[in-house]
Amino acid sequence: DADVTQTPRNRITKTGKRIMLECSQTKGHDRMYWYRQDPGLGLRLIYYSFDVKDINKGEISDGYSVSRQAQAKFSLSLESAIPNQTALYFCATSDSGQGKGKNEQFFGPGTRLTVL
Amino acid sequence: DAKTTQPTSMDCAEGRAANLPCNHSTISGNEYVYWYRQIHSQGPQYIIHGLKNNETNEMASLIITEDRKSSTLILPHATLRDTAVYYCIVRPYYGGATNKLIFGTGTLLAVQP
Repeated sequence: DADVTQTPRNRITKTGKRIMLECSQTKGHDRMYWYRQDPGLGLRLIYYSFDVKDINKGEISDGYSVSRQAQAKFSLSLESAIPNQTALYFCATSDSGQGKGKNEQFFGPGTRLTVL
Repeated sequence: DAKTTQPTSMDCAEGRAANLPCNHSTISGNEYVYWYRQIHSQGPQYIIHGLKNNETNEMASLIITEDRKSSTLILPHATLRDTAVYYCIVRPYYGGATNKLIFGTGTLLAVQP
């Protein structure tokens, strides 16, 4: 089973609809992240969470909100979707970075979202 | 802003070594060099990281210049499955807000049969 899962994998919606993308992890990591990727570009950070009570905005948080329901779950919401939010969305997790850990981020398979 | 500069694309023959360069001339003393790769539309995958010494693992080798202003990722025997976008990222080793990864546009490595 995959360590980081995302649902749905593909979604087509209309402008103005509310959309929730979900991420779950079984790695026991404290930290979780949401990124978006546009064609031909690298990933950009939307939101990140260092624990259940800690939520932080990333580079491009406008138009998005998140919820950390539990250590293992981190959801991304688009309250009113617009076409320029059409992108590939990735969730990632990492440990706290203390000690001799690699501080590596583990990514989910991605959610392809199309807003018409 | 991305702190690294990489070529947009490179080709490599299957079975040969792939050498991917990265410039990071503004790297600071507490920043490590990380490499990730992204196979078409999949989530990025960690490859290797280093501070100042050369590093090797089962996937690749990382050569960092003595002044730390540039590095090279080496895939010793490239296969078709190594075709991917390779991202070079610099960031402090430990956590905090700087745990974020800042991706540039990376290098598209195309391994040719």
